[in-house]
Amino acid sequence: QSALTQPASVSGSPGQSITISCTGSSSDVGFYDYVSWYQQHPGKAPKLMIYDVNIRPSGVSNRFSGSKSGNTASLTISGLQAEDEADYYCRSFTRSNSQVFGGGTKLTVL
Amino acid sequence: EVQLLESGGGLVQPGGSLRLSCAGSGFIFRMYAMIWVRQAPGKGLEWVSTVLGSGDSTYYADSVKGRFTISRDNSRNIVFLQMTSLRAEDTAVYYCVKDRRSTIAVAGDYWGQGTRVTVSS
Repeated sequence: QSALTQPASVSGSPGQSITISCTGSSSDVGFYDYVSWYQQHPGKAPKLMIYDVNIRPSGVSNRFSGSKSGNTASLTISGLQAEDEADYYCRSFTRSNSQVFGGGTKLTVL
Repeated sequence: EVQLLESGGGLVQPGGSLRLSCAGSGFIFRMYAMIWVRQAPGKGLEWVSTVLGSGDSTYYADSVKGRFTISRDNSRNIVFLQMTSLRAEDTAVYYCVKDRRSTIAVAGDYWGQGTRVTVSS
């Protein structure tokens, strides 16, 4: 149950696009299309932003999108806004019927 | 409106036990898998345990296997996490999470506000 690998931090200016990667293995990210992404602001509970690799829940801005290639999933945020500054976590279902999260990425909006 | 209300956290000595509860409302409780996720101070999210909708299937992270037990009471819309042999490294905020599905846990669409567990002498 090794954590998925995410960059510790990313940054971008308002209006720009950023991408956060999430690398796993053929036993998790690469095996299932069950990757989800969560946004967490300081002191708050996480919020689901993307599920099943690329589906946005109702109410989530279409500036957020997800994709996957092989063992790596990605979250892209376009048109960066100040409110997007937060920690982002990926999560995958695994072949052992467990779950694994990424280590988290801190997004800074410059 | 979906609501998840956790309770049962607190300060416990190493080796002690605690039982966390999470009451769900605003959805058909038995139709969804429920998950516990924890976050140690200043750290990332860690999956702890899953119970599927029927309650018949449960899964655990290696770090808690044999010490924690997840269960649910679908008649009362509550999910429990019984924690025993607690260690300092179990100190965290524990979140109760509703999954989008019943027979497999793939995405948590609603999260409680969390209950803090501190293991210290």
